[in-house]
Amino acid sequence: GQNIDQPTEMTATEGAIVQINCTYQTSGFNGLFWYQQHAGEAPTFLSYNVLDGLEEKGRFSSFLSRSKGYSYLLLKELQMKDSASYLCRTDKLIFGTGTRLQVFP
Amino acid sequence: GAGVSQSPSNKVTEKGKDVELRCDPISGHTALYWYRQSLGQGLEFLIYFQGNSAPDKSGLPSDRFSAERTGGSVSTLTIQRTQQEDSAVYLCASSLAGDRGLRLSEKLFFGSGTQLSVL
Repeated sequence: GQNIDQPTEMTATEGAIVQINCTYQTSGFNGLFWYQQHAGEAPTFLSYNVLDGLEEKGRFSSFLSRSKGYSYLLLKELQMKDSASYLCRTDKLIFGTGTRLQVFP
Repeated sequence: GAGVSQSPSNKVTEKGKDVELRCDPISGHTALYWYRQSLGQGLEFLIYFQGNSAPDKSGLPSDRFSAERTGGSVSTLTIQRTQQEDSAVYLCASSLAGDRGLRLSEKLFFGSGTQLSVL
């Protein structure tokens, strides 16, 4: 089966950098997605990794290590609007429980 | 349409009643997924359709839940004899493909969801 672990909650200050981790055990790896979900809204796509290494996209970057079953989402220059849940998905059907990030002024 | 459309956006029903939730996926998307999300919780997988293949129903919590997808497009999720624990947001998503593992073509596009409240 699949098992995906993320921290439940994180807090950070506006302008700071935060790293949200995702560890997984999977019988077959094909790729990993990160989604962002603001309260009361549907999840939206943030990033996709299939090869080891860092994928940078503006203020957001996502890292993958397949050998370690580990990924992280790196958010730089945090803004208040980044307060949301961040969901990791490495199975066709299953999401991690999500990490609720609160950004304070 | 431009995005995944779900209706109704809100549904209040009495315990024991049946409800139907509708999902219109993005045109051309072959894969369709139903999830539900209780307040403050993660996404719980319910059912998955891919093209003409038999759906993956492994996430349906009980036989009161069923779903169909007509003509490879619109899907209806039916909950019979609703219970209070069925109260949640029901999210539908579609993707361009759904049979290649977890490729970029399987990026999910979500609808806005149906907020179901069972009194």
